Amino acid sequence: GQNIDQPTEMTATEGAIVQINCTYQTSGFNGLFWYQQHAGEAPTFLSYNVLDGLEEKGRFSSFLSRSKGYSYLLLKELQMKDSASYLCAVLGAGSYQLTFGKGTKLSVIP
Amino acid sequence: DAGVTQSPTHLIKTRGQHVTLRCSPISGHKSVSWYQQVLGQGPQFIFQYYEKEERGRGNFPDRFSARQFPNYSSELNVNALLLGDSALYLCASRVGSFGANVLTFGAGSRLTVL
Repeated sequence: GQNIDQPTEMTATEGAIVQINCTYQTSGFNGLFWYQQHAGEAPTFLSYNVLDGLEEKGRFSSFLSRSKGYSYLLLKELQMKDSASYLCAVLGAGSYQLTFGKGTKLSVIP
Repeated sequence: DAGVTQSPTHLIKTRGQHVTLRCSPISGHKSVSWYQQVLGQGPQFIFQYYEKEERGRGNFPDRFSARQFPNYSSELNVNALLLGDSALYLCASRVGSFGANVLTFGAGSRLTVL
């Protein structure tokens, strides 16, 4: 089976840095995705990691440790528009199905 | 280019009714997946179709069915609706069936069952 855990809610200040953690236990692993979802909207792709290490893309970075079943999403220079839910998702064995965590609701305050 | 389009955007049904949701993938994408997202939860996998064939099915009852057409668009059907079927139904498309192709989601169809 698959189990993905991430914090339910986080609050951070505009301009700050926030790290959203995700731990997973899965039967088979073919990569980990992070998606951003604003309320009432579709999830949008942020990052993909399949090898250990850090992937940087502008203000957003994502890290993966396969041996620890752990990933994090790092958001720098927070903006009010970053207030959203952040979904961690694992691509499992067979590589056709994404298993999502429950999402972390991030609130950015002035 | 148009993204993934879904219709209808909102609908209200009563228990026991049937619903059909529609999805048009991004041009050139041959794979369509359906996900159910209950309020406050992450999306849960229902089906994947590729080249008109079912390639995967999640843990959903037989009341849920889907199909993919020659133009790669897709329908999700849910029979004998229950209150618990109230959710946002997301369609996602990608180029291929396997591997790390990025899933692109549509805005979803929000179903309310009364």
